[in-house]
Amino acid sequence: DAGVIQSPRHEVTEMGQEVTLRCKPISGHNSLFWYRQTMMRGLELLIYFNNNVPIDDSGMPEDRFSAKMPNASFSTLKIQPSEPRDSAVYFCASSLGQPSSYEQYFGPGTRLTVT
Amino acid sequence: KNQVEQSPQSLIILEGKNCTLQCNYTVSPFSNLRWYKQDTGRGPVSLTIMTFSENTKSNGRYTATLDADTKQSSLHITASQLSDSASYICVVSERRAGKSTFGDGTTLTVKP
Repeated sequence: DAGVIQSPRHEVTEMGQEVTLRCKPISGHNSLFWYRQTMMRGLELLIYFNNNVPIDDSGMPEDRFSAKMPNASFSTLKIQPSEPRDSAVYFCASSLGQPSSYEQYFGPGTRLTVT
Repeated sequence: KNQVEQSPQSLIILEGKNCTLQCNYTVSPFSNLRWYKQDTGRGPVSLTIMTFSENTKSNGRYTATLDADTKQSSLHITASQLSDSASYICVVSERRAGKSTFGDGTTLTVKP
């Protein structure tokens, strides 16, 4: 299995631009998570989906962030408009079942820099 | 507010030595506790998952312990190797809501 696939691996954009991060979970997994990691705040859960349905988006920082999961094999995290404080590494992870009970497999991350 | 505190924040040891990382939490009701290893520039990788009834679990040279009464966990690394240099993150999940609280991690550096 290829594991969780994220694209792009690096993204540099200017403030105000729209950014779309992409994730392909491990085949057969039914839970998908988006995380953000910064030096200041560590690893934070933004949103998670179960069976393609958003279950908990309480970690999404503000309306500029949105996430979709149109099918079991694809998810996007969009930031519009982007701001310098959004600069971080964004991880996607997937698991086989209930988020707190099953091991989560993380992708390699997307390093976002907003100038 | 649920919290997970890890100590030390950073640690430097010589190759071949043992070390122990600590994780204290206030998460309740408790579901499970996970230790992750995160190499620089990569995503976290799960080392162990422990539920309430488990007080020790091993994964190779990594051994995690859990004391659910005192709400403490430790990760012991035996005979450290250069490849153990990484950040180790403790994550504690609630039983009801399934929410997880992440520690800030311990950065371990193993020197030759």
